[in-house]
Amino acid sequence: DTGVSQNPRHKITKRGQNVTFRCDPISEHNRLYWYRQTLGQGPEFLTYFQNEAQLEKSRLLSDRFSAERPKGSFSTLEIQRTEQGDSAMYLCASTLGLAGGNEQFFGPGTRLTVL
Amino acid sequence: DQQVKQNSPSLSVQEGRISILNCDYTNSMFDYFLWYKKYPAEGPTFLISISSIKDKNEDGRFTVFLNKSAKHLSLHIVPSQPGDSAVYFCAASAWSNDYKLSFGAGTTVTVRA
Repeated sequence: DTGVSQNPRHKITKRGQNVTFRCDPISEHNRLYWYRQTLGQGPEFLTYFQNEAQLEKSRLLSDRFSAERPKGSFSTLEIQRTEQGDSAMYLCASTLGLAGGNEQFFGPGTRLTVL
Repeated sequence: DQQVKQNSPSLSVQEGRISILNCDYTNSMFDYFLWYKKYPAEGPTFLISISSIKDKNEDGRFTVFLNKSAKHLSLHIVPSQPGDSAVYFCAASAWSNDYKLSFGAGTTVTVRA
């Protein structure tokens, strides 16, 4: 299966701890997106990359959040000093970009619970 | 500011009948629309999309209709099957916003046997 993968699938942490999530996109996709989904809501855009360049960060993304895509392949999302309000499903998606269509393909997500 | 709205949180339909899911949007710059299906504990799965230059797109049992003047789109599933029971998300994007997706809150579809 060469779909989008995310690790870990679940993360439980205590308030104040740092957490890091990983996303491996579909190999030929040059665009990678991060979204956050809370209960009863649709996914909300957080940030995205074109190859290794981070093109935009949402206002939802406080300074405690940082994302990287160092070699234009996998990406990491780090949350420092986690708060209970950070509890959510964090979704990663990838796409070929404008040249190859606009459908974004999602991974299974990482569910974060902050105690 | 919720730019994409799915006003029906749930829909129950009998197996074999048609499911109609509705979605409204407010941003006139949106020019590409998508429907995703989501099972519990999984990520959203792409179903079907439509460009603003079209008013209909069909793929097997799934048809999406777009009414630009009303800023409204709908997804028709015919015939509905038990495996269609899931949460369906409407999403919209714009060339001017680099095709980042804005999602509705979702509609939970339950197909009754």
